[in-house]
Amino acid sequence: GAVVSQHPSRVICKSGTSVKIECRSLDFQATTMFWYRQFPKQSLMLMATSNEGSKATYEQGVEKDKFLINHASLTLSTLTVTSAHPEDSSFYICSARDGGNQEKLFFGSGTQLSVL
Amino acid sequence: SQKIEQNSEALNIQEGKTATLTCNYTNYSPAYLQWYRQDPGRGPVFLLLIRENEKEKRKERLKVTFDTTLKQSLFHITASQPADSATYLCALLINNNDMRFGAGTRLTVKP
Repeated sequence: GAVVSQHPSRVICKSGTSVKIECRSLDFQATTMFWYRQFPKQSLMLMATSNEGSKATYEQGVEKDKFLINHASLTLSTLTVTSAHPEDSSFYICSARDGGNQEKLFFGSGTQLSVL
Repeated sequence: SQKIEQNSEALNIQEGKTATLTCNYTNYSPAYLQWYRQDPGRGPVFLLLIRENEKEKRKERLKVTFDTTLKQSLFHITASQPADSATYLCALLINNNDMRFGAGTRLTVKP
């Protein structure tokens, strides 16, 4: 099946710094990628839909200036958490659909962000 | 309001028994419903998809049912094994692109 690679898997940073998370589709092209946030024992919450070559679509309540998304190529989307604060600590996961099979979502392995 | 509820946060069963997980939804009309497995600290992995016009779908030891009248899906794992221990998420396709997830049921299969 299609593989989505996400890096880093874990990051610890000081409050006020920015953190970039990368999501790559390794063996397929993804015109659309999705970014989720997950708190312990809670559901995946969709943050934004990343569209190659255009602006991301953010869900209600998600600050676009706080969570910068760039989808510059068909295989790479990045999420930058700017000026991170402890309340941004969470598990961030990206996903993508393989163009040949639009129904399944393939997920990255997630990034655990801890802001001190 | 729209909700997706997986009724049990946690389910403990004995090895060899059948695990049954429930997903209920309100105020959605999904074209299809999916089940994913998520291990701790990992991203979800796709297991099964069932469409609105399908009643049941099977894959090896897994079985999914979908009742659009009751707005419910049941996910069964037969002959459960300790390796089946994980969190299982149901997900609904709401429109062409939008998937919404339940909070998941954490299944523990004891040897």
